[in-house]
Amino acid sequence: EPEVTQTPSHQVTQMGQEVILRCVPISNHLYFYWYRQILGQKVEFLVSFYNNEISEKSEIFDDQFSVERPDGSNFTLKIRSTKLEDSAMYFCASKSDRSGNTIYFGEGSWLTVV
Amino acid sequence: DQQVKQNSPSLSVQEGRISILNCDYTNSMFDYFLWYKKYPAEGPTFLISISSIKDKNEDGRFTVFLNKSAKHLSLHIVPSQPGDSAVYFCAAPFMNYGGSQGNLIFGKGTKLSVKP
Repeated sequence: EPEVTQTPSHQVTQMGQEVILRCVPISNHLYFYWYRQILGQKVEFLVSFYNNEISEKSEIFDDQFSVERPDGSNFTLKIRSTKLEDSAMYFCASKSDRSGNTIYFGEGSWLTVV
Repeated sequence: DQQVKQNSPSLSVQEGRISILNCDYTNSMFDYFLWYKKYPAEGPTFLISISSIKDKNEDGRFTVFLNKSAKHLSLHIVPSQPGDSAVYFCAAPFMNYGGSQGNLIFGKGTKLSVKP
């Protein structure tokens, strides 16, 4: 069964460093997302991406964050100058098309900022 | 105001019995609801969904009921199995003037424990 894959599964980084989280969405999907879950809190929407541009973003997704689809398969989330409060599980997700409602999630990348 | 609320942080059920997980929402314009299951250190796994034009959707042991007048939905698992032990999230697509968007609003989740 096709799945969303994410790397790394766990990353520890020092405060102020840049982090890139990588995702390979399901191959025929057109909509891509990043969500995060801070420990003990809700899963929160960060950003959606369609047709090589951001289609929606939340208040969390400020200038510290950026997304890119550098080639036909990878979808990346870059976090510049990480802060302690960026520590969370980051989930990549994808959806097949606009009419579909089901979003499929990856296993997550656990980011720890120290 | 667009919120999805799961007011029970945990639920414990005996194996073979019914598990009922509840979810309330604030926006009557939500047109679709989804349930996800999540194991520790894994991503949410899609379980079952329901369109707002229906009041029930069934898939094997899982049934979702929607009560639009009460802005309430519930997930029934019958019979419950130990492997069902996980956190269950209720979610709905965010709505704006363009209609339903792809990004989901999640509840806080309910941790289900099914005891053998």
